[in-house]
Amino acid sequence: QVQLVESGGGVVQPGGSLRLACATSGFTFTAFGMHWVRQAPGKGLEWVAFIRYDGHDKFYADSVKGRFTISRDISNDTLFLQMDSLRPEDTAMYFCAKNRDFWTGFSINYWGQGTLVTVSS
Amino acid sequence: DVVMTQSPLSLPVTPGEPASISCRSSQSLLHSSGYNFLDWYLQKPGQSPQVLIYLGSNRASGVPDRFSGSGSGTDFTLKISRVEPDDVGVYYCMQALQTPITFGQGTRLDIK
Repeated sequence: QVQLVESGGGVVQPGGSLRLACATSGFTFTAFGMHWVRQAPGKGLEWVAFIRYDGHDKFYADSVKGRFTISRDISNDTLFLQMDSLRPEDTAMYFCAKNRDFWTGFSINYWGQGTLVTVSS
Repeated sequence: DVVMTQSPLSLPVTPGEPASISCRSSQSLLHSSGYNFLDWYLQKPGQSPQVLIYLGSNRASGVPDRFSGSGSGTDFTLKISRVEPDDVGVYYCMQALQTPITFGQGTRLDIK
């Protein structure tokens, strides 16, 4: 079955960096796009970034553009989110999510359990 | 950006009774394929979201047939025919048509 396991969260000071990882299994990693979605404490869901199945196209929310970088390692079936110049408003649970398929746009069919990022001095 | 607007934001329901959530988008979600790129997710307390409905009206695998999605273009509805205690949580609609992907504010369903 599909499994998405995030790691790398923690407490970081404003202006700092953090790299999140999402280990995947149970599907052909190179055949599906992947997302990062976040949720600030007590708030709703906010999409962060998407990478196409082949890694050639990447899309970002305006709130993170230029600071976050999504990437994938096909040798280890792992998704990454490099987060630089972190701000207090980046504090959130970060979810890794699998795109359903090419034919349903950016629809998500599986979510990980999330990793918590706290940006605070 | 496509703005997604849900109503109501809070929905107290008696077990066994029906429930309905509305989701409106600021732009049409009807794709040239003929499908509406609108999903519904449920986030149960303390859990990550789970998909209920995709392409506007397709139930995801394992989702009870008490849940149904309808609508087209800019107006969509999620219906629960008979609410059960396990349905408690926050329901989100999401447009999957274009980036930035956007979610509704969420509708919190709880049991009366």
